[in-house]
Amino acid sequence: NAGVTQTPKFRVLKTGQSMTLLCAQDMNHEYMYWYRQDPGMGLRLIHYSVGEGTTAKGEVPDGYNVSRLKKQNFLLGLESAAPSQTSVYFCASSLPGVVPEQFFGPGTRLTVL
Amino acid sequence: AQSVAQPEDQVNVAEGNPLTVKCTYSVSGNPYLFWYVQYPNRGLQFLLKYITGDNLVKGSYGFEAEFNKSQTSFHLKKPSALVSDSALYFCAVSSKGGSARQLTFGSGTQLTVLP
Repeated sequence: NAGVTQTPKFRVLKTGQSMTLLCAQDMNHEYMYWYRQDPGMGLRLIHYSVGEGTTAKGEVPDGYNVSRLKKQNFLLGLESAAPSQTSVYFCASSLPGVVPEQFFGPGTRLTVL
Repeated sequence: AQSVAQPEDQVNVAEGNPLTVKCTYSVSGNPYLFWYVQYPNRGLQFLLKYITGDNLVKGSYGFEAEFNKSQTSFHLKKPSALVSDSALYFCAVSSKGGSARQLTFGSGTQLTVLP
Protein backbone atom coordinates (compact mmCIF):
# COMPACT_ATOMS: atom_id res chain seq x y z
CA ASN A 1 0.00 0.00 0.00
CA ALA A 2 1.94 3.02 -1.28
CA GLY A 3 -0.64 5.64 -0.24
CA VAL A 4 -0.26 8.84 -2.29
CA THR A 5 2.63 9.07 -4.72
CA GLN A 6 3.77 12.01 -6.83
CA THR A 7 5.86 12.13 -9.98
CA PRO A 8 8.36 13.75 -10.44
CA LYS A 9 9.99 14.68 -7.14
CA PHE A 10 11.96 17.59 -8.59
CA ARG A 11 11.75 19.58 -11.81
CA VAL A 12 13.34 22.70 -13.24
CA LEU A 13 11.52 24.49 -16.06
CA LYS A 14 12.23 27.54 -18.14
CA THR A 15 9.61 30.26 -18.38
CA GLY A 16 6.99 29.33 -20.95
CA GLN A 17 7.59 25.58 -20.83
CA SER A 18 4.80 23.19 -19.98
CA MET A 19 4.68 20.15 -17.75
CA THR A 20 2.33 17.75 -16.02
CA LEU A 21 2.55 16.58 -12.43
CA LEU A 22 1.11 13.15 -11.72
CA CYS A 23 -0.58 12.11 -8.50
CA ALA A 24 -1.64 8.54 -7.85
CA GLN A 25 -3.40 6.99 -4.86
CA ASP A 26 -4.16 3.37 -4.09
CA MET A 27 -6.63 3.88 -1.24
CA ASN A 28 -9.73 4.06 -3.47
CA HIS A 29 -10.39 7.63 -2.30
CA GLU A 30 -13.08 9.65 -4.03
CA TYR A 31 -11.64 13.07 -3.34
CA MET A 32 -8.28 14.37 -4.55
CA TYR A 33 -6.60 17.75 -4.17
CA TRP A 34 -3.67 19.77 -5.44
CA TYR A 35 -2.00 22.31 -3.16
CA ARG A 36 0.99 24.57 -3.44
CA GLN A 37 3.20 25.40 -0.47
CA ASP A 38 5.12 28.64 -0.35
CA PRO A 39 7.27 29.92 2.52
CA GLY A 40 5.27 31.72 5.17
CA MET A 41 1.96 31.06 3.42
CA GLY A 42 1.00 27.54 4.38
CA LEU A 43 -0.77 25.40 1.82
CA ARG A 44 -3.18 26.85 -0.72
CA LEU A 45 -5.67 24.78 -2.66
CA ILE A 46 -5.24 24.95 -6.44
CA HIS A 47 -7.88 22.51 -7.74
CA TYR A 48 -9.73 19.56 -6.35
CA SER A 49 -11.87 16.67 -7.56
CA VAL A 50 -14.77 14.93 -5.88
CA GLY A 51 -14.82 12.02 -8.29
CA GLU A 52 -13.68 10.61 -11.59
CA GLY A 53 -14.35 13.04 -14.42
CA THR A 54 -15.09 16.01 -12.14
CA THR A 55 -12.83 18.89 -11.12
CA ALA A 56 -13.30 22.25 -9.42
CA LYS A 57 -11.28 25.37 -8.75
CA GLY A 58 -9.73 26.07 -5.40
CA GLU A 59 -8.23 29.22 -3.99
CA VAL A 60 -5.43 29.78 -6.54
CA PRO A 61 -6.38 28.05 -9.84
CA ASP A 62 -4.99 30.55 -12.36
CA GLY A 63 -2.26 29.15 -14.60
CA TYR A 64 -3.09 25.54 -13.80
CA ASN A 65 -5.34 22.88 -15.30
CA VAL A 66 -6.27 19.47 -13.94
CA SER A 67 -7.79 16.24 -15.11
CA ARG A 68 -9.21 13.20 -13.32
CA LEU A 69 -9.74 10.60 -16.01
CA LYS A 70 -9.23 7.70 -13.61
CA LYS A 71 -10.27 7.54 -9.99
CA GLN A 72 -6.77 6.82 -8.79
CA ASN A 73 -5.00 9.57 -10.74
CA PHE A 74 -5.13 13.35 -10.60
CA LEU A 75 -2.99 15.33 -13.03
CA LEU A 76 -1.88 18.94 -12.60
CA GLY A 77 -0.78 20.78 -15.73
CA LEU A 78 1.12 23.99 -16.25
CA GLU A 79 0.64 25.13 -19.84
CA SER A 80 3.10 28.05 -19.78
CA ALA A 81 5.19 28.08 -16.64
CA ALA A 82 6.00 31.36 -14.89
CA PRO A 83 8.56 32.09 -12.13
CA SER A 84 5.63 32.78 -9.78
CA GLN A 85 4.78 29.08 -10.03
CA THR A 86 8.03 28.11 -8.35
CA SER A 87 6.76 26.20 -5.35
CA VAL A 88 6.38 22.83 -3.70
CA TYR A 89 3.27 21.05 -4.93
CA PHE A 90 1.40 18.54 -2.79
CA CYS A 91 -1.29 16.16 -3.81
CA ALA A 92 -3.73 14.76 -1.26
CA SER A 93 -6.66 12.39 -1.24
CA SER A 94 -9.52 11.59 1.11
CA LEU A 95 -12.71 9.68 1.49
CA PRO A 96 -15.89 11.69 1.11
CA GLY A 97 -17.57 12.76 4.32
CA VAL A 98 -18.21 15.62 6.67
CA VAL A 99 -14.63 16.23 7.71
CA PRO A 100 -12.35 13.82 5.92
CA GLU A 101 -8.77 13.35 6.91
CA GLN A 102 -6.55 14.13 3.95
CA PHE A 103 -3.58 11.92 3.07
CA PHE A 104 -0.70 13.77 1.47
CA GLY A 105 1.94 12.76 -1.02
CA PRO A 106 5.64 13.57 -0.54
CA GLY A 107 5.56 16.66 -2.78
CA THR A 108 7.12 17.91 -6.02
CA ARG A 109 9.63 20.73 -5.86
CA LEU A 110 9.26 22.85 -9.02
CA THR A 111 11.57 25.69 -10.00
CA VAL A 112 10.73 27.94 -12.93
CA LEU A 113 13.65 29.99 -14.21
CA ALA B 1 -14.36 33.60 3.99
CA GLN B 2 -12.47 31.42 6.42
CA SER B 3 -9.00 32.06 7.76
CA VAL B 4 -6.47 30.70 10.20
CA ALA B 5 -3.75 32.52 12.10
CA GLN B 6 -0.72 30.91 13.67
CA PRO B 7 0.86 33.84 15.49
CA GLU B 8 4.23 32.22 16.14
CA ASP B 9 6.55 31.32 13.28
CA GLN B 10 8.88 29.51 15.67
CA VAL B 11 8.43 27.83 19.04
CA ASN B 12 11.35 26.45 21.01
CA VAL B 13 10.90 24.20 24.02
CA ALA B 14 13.18 22.01 26.10
CA GLU B 15 12.71 18.25 25.95
CA GLY B 16 10.42 17.06 28.71
CA ASN B 17 8.66 20.40 29.04
CA PRO B 18 5.08 20.97 27.95
CA LEU B 19 4.54 22.53 24.57
CA THR B 20 1.81 24.71 23.07
CA VAL B 21 1.41 25.73 19.45
CA LYS B 22 -1.20 28.44 19.01
CA CYS B 23 -3.96 28.71 16.42
CA THR B 24 -6.90 31.06 16.03
CA TYR B 25 -9.52 30.88 13.34
CA SER B 26 -12.30 32.79 11.64
CA VAL B 27 -15.17 31.02 9.92
CA SER B 28 -18.87 31.46 9.30
CA GLY B 29 -20.85 28.96 11.24
CA ASN B 30 -19.47 25.98 13.09
CA PRO B 31 -15.80 25.24 12.47
CA TYR B 32 -14.12 21.96 11.74
CA LEU B 33 -10.52 22.24 12.92
CA PHE B 34 -7.43 20.20 12.15
CA TRP B 35 -3.79 19.91 13.03
CA TYR B 36 -1.27 18.48 10.59
CA VAL B 37 2.47 17.95 11.01
CA GLN B 38 5.15 18.09 8.35
CA TYR B 39 8.57 16.54 8.80
CA PRO B 40 11.43 17.71 6.55
CA ASN B 41 10.99 16.77 2.90
CA ARG B 42 7.74 14.95 3.63
CA GLY B 43 4.07 15.53 3.01
CA LEU B 44 1.70 16.57 5.77
CA GLN B 45 0.44 14.01 8.25
CA PHE B 46 -2.87 14.24 10.09
CA LEU B 47 -2.64 14.65 13.88
CA LEU B 48 -6.16 15.34 15.09
CA LYS B 49 -9.43 17.06 14.33
CA TYR B 50 -12.33 18.72 16.10
CA ILE B 51 -15.84 18.29 14.78
CA THR B 52 -18.15 18.71 17.72
CA GLY B 53 -18.54 17.62 21.31
CA ASP B 54 -15.74 17.51 23.86
CA ASN B 55 -13.54 20.58 23.64
CA LEU B 56 -10.40 18.55 24.34
CA VAL B 57 -9.41 16.41 21.39
CA LYS B 58 -6.77 13.71 21.64
CA GLY B 59 -4.69 12.74 18.65
CA SER B 60 -1.62 10.89 17.47
CA TYR B 61 1.78 10.77 19.23
CA GLY B 62 0.40 12.10 22.54
CA PHE B 63 -0.80 15.41 21.12
CA GLU B 64 -4.06 17.03 22.11
CA ALA B 65 -5.82 20.25 21.22
CA GLU B 66 -8.29 22.41 23.05
CA PHE B 67 -11.16 24.05 21.24
CA ASN B 68 -12.27 27.37 22.72
CA LYS B 69 -15.27 28.83 20.95
CA SER B 70 -15.30 32.16 22.79
CA GLN B 71 -11.65 32.80 21.95
CA THR B 72 -11.92 31.17 18.49
CA SER B 73 -8.81 29.19 19.26
CA PHE B 74 -7.60 25.64 18.77
CA HIS B 75 -4.21 25.35 20.45
CA LEU B 76 -2.11 22.22 20.08
CA LYS B 77 -0.56 20.84 23.25
CA LYS B 78 1.61 18.05 24.54
CA PRO B 79 2.46 17.47 28.21
CA SER B 80 6.07 16.41 27.63
CA ALA B 81 7.93 17.30 24.43
CA LEU B 82 10.30 14.95 22.62
CA VAL B 83 13.17 15.91 20.32
CA SER B 84 11.41 13.86 17.64
CA ASP B 85 8.43 16.26 17.84
CA SER B 86 10.53 18.90 16.07
CA ALA B 87 8.66 19.65 12.85
CA LEU B 88 6.44 22.16 11.08
CA TYR B 89 2.89 22.25 12.40
CA PHE B 90 -0.13 23.49 10.49
CA CYS B 91 -3.56 24.38 11.79
CA ALA B 92 -6.44 24.22 9.29
CA VAL B 93 -10.12 25.09 9.30
CA SER B 94 -13.13 24.07 7.28
CA SER B 95 -16.80 24.83 7.61
CA LYS B 96 -20.10 23.42 6.53
CA GLY B 97 -20.80 23.89 2.88
CA GLY B 98 -18.77 23.02 -0.17
CA SER B 99 -18.60 19.58 -1.62
CA ALA B 100 -15.03 18.78 -0.72
CA ARG B 101 -14.68 20.34 2.69
CA GLN B 102 -12.01 22.73 1.50
CA LEU B 103 -9.36 23.32 4.10
CA THR B 104 -7.75 26.67 4.77
CA PHE B 105 -4.31 26.29 6.30
CA GLY B 106 -2.37 28.57 8.55
CA SER B 107 1.16 29.63 7.67
CA GLY B 108 2.72 27.04 9.94
CA THR B 109 4.73 27.03 13.16
CA GLN B 110 8.20 25.53 13.32
CA LEU B 111 8.57 23.62 16.57
CA THR B 112 12.06 22.90 17.80
CA VAL B 113 12.52 20.69 20.85
CA LEU B 114 15.95 21.18 22.38
CA PRO B 115 17.69 18.21 24.05
